[in-house]
Amino acid sequence: TQLLEQSPQFLSIQEGENLTVYCNSSSVFSSLQWYRQEPGEGPVLLVTVVTGGEVKKLKRLTFQFGDARKDSSLHITAAQPGDTGLYLCAGQPNTGNQFYFGTGTSLTVIP
Amino acid sequence: NAGVMQNPRHLVRRRGQEARLRCSPMKGHSHVYWYRQLPEEGLKFMVYLQKENIIDESGMPKERFSAEFPKEGPSILRIQQVVRGDSAAYFCASSRVRDSYEQYFGPGTRLTVT
Repeated sequence: TQLLEQSPQFLSIQEGENLTVYCNSSSVFSSLQWYRQEPGEGPVLLVTVVTGGEVKKLKRLTFQFGDARKDSSLHITAAQPGDTGLYLCAGQPNTGNQFYFGTGTSLTVIP
Repeated sequence: NAGVMQNPRHLVRRRGQEARLRCSPMKGHSHVYWYRQLPEEGLKFMVYLQKENIIDESGMPKERFSAEFPKEGPSILRIQQVVRGDSAAYFCASSRVRDSYEQYFGPGTRLTVT
């Protein structure tokens, strides 16, 4: 059973295009994180959202936490080849110590 | 500031041998999480430790796996009598405080069991 479902699983786009990655769950999370992982490396934290409805912007990346704190999205504007990587969402439920990770979205940006 | 350090980066073991994976958290961090990442699967939580204390080991297999985080030195994930199914990337992450929602990952140890 996967607590966090990410879609799409794979995404290949041309440089300059926009894209959105989704992270959905039927569970409520006290916080949700987005990471980017490159081959052979550990995940790198991009952002943490904690308030329902919260929107955070990081240059060309926009992160949104759903009002009910069950889902999140990552939007990239004008994608660049350097954005290529595996994007992972992770959530921490209201109770417990675990972080649950989604299966990831593998993004390829073609020059 | 040095990030989370893991060693070795690559480890090859024959079936039946022991594997020891080490993790040094970021400076000022006293909480460590261990995760396992299998091909085509996401990161799976294994264990959460504070120095000299296991907080949550609900994701750890009951047999052959153990973890510790001593007062001095790195956290160690120990796998006894390894089997081929243990081949995976093992990541540790550290956080500054208990129940912090921000954790920082090391580069991982890739374990291959032959």
